[in-house]
Amino acid sequence: AQKVTQAQTEISVVEKEDVTLDCVYETRDTTYYLFWYKQPPSGELVFLIRRNSFDEQNEISGRYSWNFQKSTSSFNFTITASQVVDSAVYFCALELYGQNFVFGPGTRLSVLP
Amino acid sequence: SAVISQKPSRDICQRGTSLTIQCQVDSQVTMMFWYRQQPGQSLTLIATANQGSEATYESGFVIDKFPISRPNLTFSTLTVSNMSPEDSSIYLCSVVLGGSGANVLTFGAGSRLTVL
Repeated sequence: AQKVTQAQTEISVVEKEDVTLDCVYETRDTTYYLFWYKQPPSGELVFLIRRNSFDEQNEISGRYSWNFQKSTSSFNFTITASQVVDSAVYFCALELYGQNFVFGPGTRLSVLP
Repeated sequence: SAVISQKPSRDICQRGTSLTIQCQVDSQVTMMFWYRQQPGQSLTLIATANQGSEATYESGFVIDKFPISRPNLTFSTLTVSNMSPEDSSIYLCSVVLGGSGANVLTFGAGSRLTVL
């Protein structure tokens, strides 16, 4: 069965702290894609990153970085020096063959000033 | 990147009524997806809409409750029929955009429905 788990329901940090959002996935497919989306209070879903199952290189984009470890089926997301504007719900998602997407339950991040 | 427009952006509806949500994409796409996000919850796929054929519904969703139209490659509608307070949710239209293996599921801004 395909599944995405985000064990952290809610996280609160103080501005400028680093924070890591965990994502663990399950699939028997060998080819798949992993995503992170951000949903700010406005409600729209903003695409952050897409990673395929054959590319385990970590990626950094500004204050954001992603750690993909196939051995532990994890795709964790770290925000460095968090800001109030980072407050949102973050979803990890898994795409399987045929554009079949599975979303995790989401992690609500609150960054306090 | 393509623009996905959804309307209404929000509405307050009375129990027992129906509401149609429209989704317009500024490029032609094969499949359009409709998701529901109940308050504080994750996204759940309602159905996949292909142009020229009936929508494919996920388990727990039926055509009588959520009829979908897909008249062309850039437009789709989702109707929420005979609404009850349990239908209060954000409804999201989405499409897969990209190419050369770089597909990204892209969302409209959503339609936030409150049923009284």
